[in-house]
Amino acid sequence: GAVVSQHPSWVICKSGTSVKIECRSLDFQATTMFWYRQFPKQSLMLMATSNEGSKATYEQGVEKDKFLINHASLTLSTLTVTSAHPEDSSFYICSALSPLAGGIDTQYFGPGTRLTVL
Amino acid sequence: AQRVTQPEKLLSVFKGAPVELKCNYSYSGSPELFWYVQYSRQRLQLLLRHISRESIKGFTADLNKGETSFHLKKPFAQEEDSAMYYCALSPGGSQGNLIFGKGTKLSVKP
Repeated sequence: GAVVSQHPSWVICKSGTSVKIECRSLDFQATTMFWYRQFPKQSLMLMATSNEGSKATYEQGVEKDKFLINHASLTLSTLTVTSAHPEDSSFYICSALSPLAGGIDTQYFGPGTRLTVL
Repeated sequence: AQRVTQPEKLLSVFKGAPVELKCNYSYSGSPELFWYVQYSRQRLQLLLRHISRESIKGFTADLNKGETSFHLKKPFAQEEDSAMYYCALSPGGSQGNLIFGKGTKLSVKP
Protein backbone atom coordinates (compact mmCIF):
# COMPACT_ATOMS: atom_id res chain seq x y z
CA GLY A 1 0.00 0.00 0.00
CA ALA A 2 0.92 3.66 -0.23
CA VAL A 3 3.22 4.76 2.58
CA VAL A 4 4.01 8.27 3.70
CA SER A 5 6.87 9.03 6.05
CA GLN A 6 7.72 12.09 8.07
CA HIS A 7 11.01 13.17 9.53
CA PRO A 8 11.68 13.89 12.26
CA SER A 9 9.04 12.21 14.37
CA TRP A 10 9.65 14.70 17.14
CA VAL A 11 11.75 17.80 17.56
CA ILE A 12 12.48 20.24 20.34
CA CYS A 13 13.86 23.63 19.47
CA LYS A 14 14.53 26.98 21.06
CA SER A 15 12.29 29.95 20.46
CA GLY A 16 13.40 31.95 17.46
CA THR A 17 14.96 29.08 15.56
CA SER A 18 13.62 27.44 12.40
CA VAL A 19 12.60 23.82 12.04
CA LYS A 20 12.18 21.81 8.87
CA ILE A 21 9.84 18.83 8.64
CA GLU A 22 9.98 16.44 5.71
CA CYS A 23 7.12 14.48 4.20
CA ARG A 24 7.90 11.71 1.74
CA SER A 25 5.74 9.40 -0.30
CA LEU A 26 7.77 6.20 -0.29
CA ASP A 27 6.26 4.07 -3.00
CA PHE A 28 4.23 6.42 -5.12
CA GLN A 29 4.42 9.84 -6.66
CA ALA A 30 2.27 12.58 -5.24
CA THR A 31 1.69 15.79 -7.10
CA THR A 32 -0.38 17.01 -4.18
CA MET A 33 0.45 16.84 -0.50
CA PHE A 34 -1.30 18.41 2.45
CA TRP A 35 -0.07 19.77 5.76
CA TYR A 36 -2.26 19.62 8.85
CA ARG A 37 -1.86 20.79 12.39
CA GLN A 38 -3.39 19.08 15.38
CA PHE A 39 -3.59 20.55 18.85
CA PRO A 40 -4.07 18.23 21.83
CA LYS A 41 -7.51 16.67 21.93
CA GLN A 42 -8.55 18.61 18.85
CA SER A 43 -9.09 17.75 15.25
CA LEU A 44 -6.77 18.09 12.30
CA MET A 45 -6.79 21.53 10.77
CA LEU A 46 -5.65 21.88 7.18
CA MET A 47 -2.83 24.40 6.94
CA ALA A 48 -1.94 24.28 3.28
CA THR A 49 -2.04 22.31 0.08
CA SER A 50 1.33 21.64 -1.46
CA ASN A 51 1.56 21.14 -5.21
CA GLU A 52 4.69 19.87 -6.88
CA GLY A 53 6.41 22.57 -8.87
CA SER A 54 4.15 25.41 -7.78
CA LYS A 55 3.42 27.56 -4.78
CA ALA A 56 1.49 26.14 -1.91
CA THR A 57 -2.07 27.20 -1.24
CA TYR A 58 -2.56 28.30 2.34
CA GLU A 59 -5.75 28.18 4.33
CA GLN A 60 -7.16 31.35 5.78
CA GLY A 61 -5.33 32.43 8.89
CA VAL A 62 -2.15 30.49 8.16
CA GLU A 63 0.90 32.71 7.77
CA LYS A 64 2.69 31.67 4.60
CA ASP A 65 5.86 33.52 5.60
CA LYS A 66 6.00 31.62 8.84
CA PHE A 67 5.14 28.19 7.52
CA LEU A 68 7.21 27.78 4.39
CA ILE A 69 6.25 24.87 2.17
CA ASN A 70 8.39 23.50 -0.62
CA HIS A 71 7.26 20.64 -2.85
CA ALA A 72 10.35 20.24 -4.96
CA SER A 73 9.77 16.70 -6.19
CA LEU A 74 6.94 14.23 -6.64
CA THR A 75 7.93 12.41 -3.47
CA LEU A 76 8.97 15.17 -1.09
CA SER A 77 7.33 18.15 0.53
CA THR A 78 8.89 20.13 3.34
CA LEU A 79 7.36 22.39 5.95
CA THR A 80 9.67 24.91 7.59
CA VAL A 81 8.46 26.64 10.71
CA THR A 82 10.44 29.86 10.75
CA SER A 83 11.26 31.79 13.90
CA ALA A 84 9.35 29.28 15.96
CA HIS A 85 7.61 30.33 19.15
CA PRO A 86 6.06 28.28 21.92
CA GLU A 87 2.59 28.75 20.44
CA ASP A 88 3.80 26.89 17.35
CA SER A 89 4.21 23.78 19.45
CA SER A 90 1.86 21.23 17.96
CA PHE A 91 1.54 17.97 16.09
CA TYR A 92 2.12 18.44 12.37
CA ILE A 93 0.78 15.81 10.00
CA CYS A 94 1.23 15.54 6.27
CA SER A 95 -0.68 13.52 3.73
CA ALA A 96 -0.11 12.66 0.10
CA LEU A 97 -2.74 12.23 -2.54
CA SER A 98 -2.64 9.06 -4.57
CA PRO A 99 -5.19 7.59 -6.93
CA LEU A 100 -6.62 4.26 -5.93
CA ALA A 101 -7.67 1.68 -8.44
CA GLY A 102 -10.61 3.11 -10.27
CA GLY A 103 -9.10 6.57 -10.27
CA ILE A 104 -10.46 7.72 -6.91
CA ASP A 105 -7.91 9.86 -5.12
CA THR A 106 -7.11 8.96 -1.56
CA GLN A 107 -5.08 10.79 1.05
CA TYR A 108 -2.42 8.72 2.79
CA PHE A 109 -1.23 10.17 6.05
CA GLY A 110 2.18 10.36 7.59
CA PRO A 111 2.76 9.46 11.23
CA GLY A 112 3.10 13.08 12.29
CA THR A 113 5.84 15.23 13.80
CA ARG A 114 5.66 16.51 17.35
CA LEU A 115 7.17 20.00 17.58
CA THR A 116 7.95 21.51 20.95
CA VAL A 117 9.29 25.03 21.07
CA LEU A 118 10.92 26.05 24.33
CA ALA B 1 -19.99 27.41 6.47
CA GLN B 2 -18.50 23.99 5.91
CA ARG B 3 -18.40 22.06 9.12
CA VAL B 4 -18.29 18.52 10.44
CA THR B 5 -19.70 17.81 13.87
CA GLN B 6 -19.05 14.73 15.94
CA PRO B 7 -21.07 15.29 19.10
CA GLU B 8 -19.49 12.57 21.19
CA LYS B 9 -15.91 12.91 22.39
CA LEU B 10 -15.98 9.46 23.93
CA LEU B 11 -18.15 6.43 23.32
CA SER B 12 -17.77 3.40 25.50
CA VAL B 13 -19.48 0.09 24.73
CA PHE B 14 -19.08 -3.54 25.68
CA LYS B 15 -17.78 -6.15 23.29
CA GLY B 16 -20.55 -7.52 21.13
CA ALA B 17 -22.77 -4.47 21.56
CA PRO B 18 -23.84 -2.35 18.59
CA VAL B 19 -22.03 0.90 18.09
CA GLU B 20 -22.98 4.09 16.29
CA LEU B 21 -20.61 7.00 15.92
CA LYS B 22 -22.47 10.13 14.96
CA CYS B 23 -21.41 12.61 12.33
CA ASN B 24 -23.33 15.59 11.02
CA TYR B 25 -22.13 17.96 8.37
CA SER B 26 -22.90 21.40 7.09
CA TYR B 27 -22.34 21.98 3.41
CA SER B 28 -24.51 23.53 0.76
CA GLY B 29 -23.38 21.37 -2.14
CA SER B 30 -22.91 17.65 -2.63
CA PRO B 31 -20.04 16.64 -0.39
CA GLU B 32 -18.01 13.51 -0.33
CA LEU B 33 -17.79 12.05 3.15
CA PHE B 34 -15.25 9.81 4.79
CA TRP B 35 -14.52 8.04 8.02
CA TYR B 36 -10.91 7.86 9.16
CA VAL B 37 -9.59 5.78 12.03
CA GLN B 38 -6.51 6.17 14.17
CA TYR B 39 -5.51 3.21 16.30
CA SER B 40 -3.27 3.74 19.28
CA ARG B 41 0.19 4.92 18.21
CA GLN B 42 -0.64 4.52 14.55
CA ARG B 43 -1.23 6.98 11.78
CA LEU B 44 -4.57 8.14 10.49
CA GLN B 45 -6.00 5.82 7.86
CA LEU B 46 -9.05 5.78 5.68
CA LEU B 47 -11.80 3.48 6.95
CA LEU B 48 -14.47 4.05 4.37
CA ARG B 49 -16.01 6.59 2.04
CA HIS B 50 -19.65 7.04 1.26
CA ILE B 51 -19.22 6.91 -2.48
CA SER B 52 -17.90 3.37 -2.32
CA ARG B 53 -20.85 2.07 -0.30
CA GLU B 54 -18.56 -0.49 1.23
CA SER B 55 -18.31 -2.30 4.52
CA ILE B 56 -14.89 -2.30 6.09
CA LYS B 57 -14.13 -4.32 9.22
CA GLY B 58 -17.86 -4.67 9.72
CA PHE B 59 -18.43 -0.90 9.69
CA THR B 60 -20.91 0.79 7.41
CA ALA B 61 -22.00 4.37 6.98
CA ASP B 62 -24.92 5.75 5.06
CA LEU B 63 -25.15 9.28 3.82
CA ASN B 64 -28.45 10.85 4.78
CA LYS B 65 -28.73 14.10 2.89
CA GLY B 66 -32.03 15.02 4.53
CA GLU B 67 -30.51 14.85 7.97
CA THR B 68 -27.04 15.83 6.72
CA SER B 69 -25.61 12.90 8.59
CA PHE B 70 -23.06 10.17 7.94
CA HIS B 71 -23.17 8.00 11.02
CA LEU B 72 -20.77 5.08 11.35
CA LYS B 73 -22.27 1.82 12.52
CA LYS B 74 -21.22 -1.65 13.47
CA PRO B 75 -23.62 -4.29 14.78
CA PHE B 76 -21.17 -6.09 17.07
CA ALA B 77 -18.21 -4.13 18.42
CA GLN B 78 -14.88 -5.83 18.98
CA GLU B 79 -12.10 -4.82 21.36
CA GLU B 80 -9.79 -4.15 18.43
CA ASP B 81 -12.21 -1.48 17.24
CA SER B 82 -11.07 0.77 20.08
CA ALA B 83 -9.58 3.84 18.39
CA MET B 84 -10.17 7.46 17.47
CA TYR B 85 -12.64 7.90 14.66
CA TYR B 86 -12.78 11.04 12.56
CA CYS B 87 -15.52 11.98 10.15
CA ALA B 88 -14.33 14.15 7.26
CA LEU B 89 -15.89 16.06 4.42
CA SER B 90 -14.43 16.94 1.05
CA PRO B 91 -16.28 19.81 -0.58
CA GLY B 92 -14.64 19.31 -3.93
CA GLY B 93 -15.73 15.73 -4.45
CA SER B 94 -12.15 14.48 -4.37
CA GLN B 95 -10.05 14.06 -1.28
CA GLY B 96 -8.49 17.43 -1.42
CA ASN B 97 -9.25 19.93 1.31
CA LEU B 98 -10.58 17.52 3.88
CA ILE B 99 -12.52 19.10 6.72
CA PHE B 100 -12.34 16.94 9.82
CA GLY B 101 -14.63 16.61 12.79
CA LYS B 102 -13.11 16.66 16.25
CA GLY B 103 -13.17 12.92 16.51
CA THR B 104 -14.80 10.35 18.76
CA LYS B 105 -12.80 8.01 20.90
CA LEU B 106 -14.37 4.56 20.85
CA SER B 107 -13.58 2.30 23.74
CA VAL B 108 -14.77 -1.29 23.53
CA LYS B 109 -14.65 -3.04 26.86
CA PRO B 110 -14.32 -6.81 27.25
